[in-house]
Amino acid sequence: ETGVTQSPTHLIKTRGQQVTLRCSSQSGHNTVSWYQQALGQGPQFIFQYYREEENGRGNFPPRFSGLQFPNYSSELNVNALELDDSALYLCASSLPGQGASGYGYTFGSGTRLTVV
Amino acid sequence: DQQVKQNSPSLSVQEGRISILNCDYTNSMFDYFLWYKKYPAEGPTFLISISSIKDKNEDGRFTVFLNKSAKHLSLHIVPSQPGDSAVYFCAAPRTAMNYGGATNKLIFGTGTLLAVQP
Repeated sequence: ETGVTQSPTHLIKTRGQQVTLRCSSQSGHNTVSWYQQALGQGPQFIFQYYREEENGRGNFPPRFSGLQFPNYSSELNVNALELDDSALYLCASSLPGQGASGYGYTFGSGTRLTVV
Repeated sequence: DQQVKQNSPSLSVQEGRISILNCDYTNSMFDYFLWYKKYPAEGPTFLISISSIKDKNEDGRFTVFLNKSAKHLSLHIVPSQPGDSAVYFCAAPRTAMNYGGATNKLIFGTGTLLAVQP
């Protein structure tokens, strides 16, 4: 059983640029959530994808967008990067319905994005 | 609106002693609470949870206590081991109904860095 894989592990971008982060979900998991963990903070929910559609969003602007593919893998895209976007981006996969009790999330190791 | 709070950014204990990590919450509607453990360069991993209808849950060296009247929970690790050194997050799941159905998300505290000294 494979876990959640994220790529790249580290990335440096310039303010104003665009970035795409990738996530392969755990085998059998069809729901993917993205979280942003800024330095000294806990992970903050960005959005969730289920059946290739966005299924809920946190308090993040529209320049944060995503995709989910038929194989359940997902991308997080951030346009017009700002310095405050520097953070660890975590992807978590799960099965629908598991999240209500908080069980069943498998997190990837994250992508460390630095915006300069 | 920080619904889950961990007021201690760090904690240092000696190997073999008890580690107590604390968490406070403001939303009385939470049904479950979870503790996640995170090593550097790894994602958070589930450690232990507790339902809001219970006041204690134990799993080996790890015990979580819930005080609903105080809106407070704590994680006890006994005995602490050097391998327990990590960041510990308190989290609570929330379900929101929207156009696409139900969205389940985790609300995390800011984390506590535990260092267990040999």
